Amino acid sequence: KQEVTQIPAALSVPEGENLVLNCSFTDSAIYNLQWFRQDPGKGLTSLLLIQSSQREQTSGRLNASLDKSSGRSTLYIAASQPGDSATYLCAVRRRQETSGSRLTFGEGTQLTVNP
Amino acid sequence: AAGVIQSPRHLIKEKRETATLKCYPIPRHDTVYWYQQGPGQDPQFLISFYEKMQSDKGSIPDRFSAQQFSDYHSELNMSSLELGDSALYFCASSGGGVTETQYFGPGTRLLVL
Repeated sequence: KQEVTQIPAALSVPEGENLVLNCSFTDSAIYNLQWFRQDPGKGLTSLLLIQSSQREQTSGRLNASLDKSSGRSTLYIAASQPGDSATYLCAVRRRQETSGSRLTFGEGTQLTVNP
Repeated sequence: AAGVIQSPRHLIKEKRETATLKCYPIPRHDTVYWYQQGPGQDPQFLISFYEKMQSDKGSIPDRFSAQQFSDYHSELNMSSLELGDSALYFCASSGGGVTETQYFGPGTRLLVL
């Protein structure tokens, strides 16, 4: 059974700081890994998706890396802003022959960026 | 761009009542997923459908059932509701193959009293 762990559970940084969020998973038989952002009581916004054959993806100030063999991914946020405050979730997609395979989520890292 | 639509957005029910949640995927998406997120918890996968057939099944209680219709919308039917069913229910959709991004709807917040 796939287990996804995110460290740290919570993180508070001053504005402008670069930061790294960590995600680890136990089963390397995955199709891809997604990073999401969730604001309190709101839906999930997909930030980045990394296919299992890729090493990293970048979008603006965000960079996600994937090391499938070691079961690890990191989300790097450069020059953090108060608007980045949210819970960040990573999720891995189970390898399955047909479309519709599930995402297994980590418990998230709650990020607070202080002005 | 069109997004995943869920209705209703909020729902209040009594114990032992039934509820039906609806999901309208992004146009041309053929796969729908349902997730349940309890308070302070990560989303848990319930069930998914690809081309109107069940594709993957997770921790969905026997009291719940779901289906995908010919127009690709999906409904999650929940019966004999319990207090523990209070949660945010997300629908996601994807299209174009096994590796496609799942796009999430805004969720339906269900409160069981």
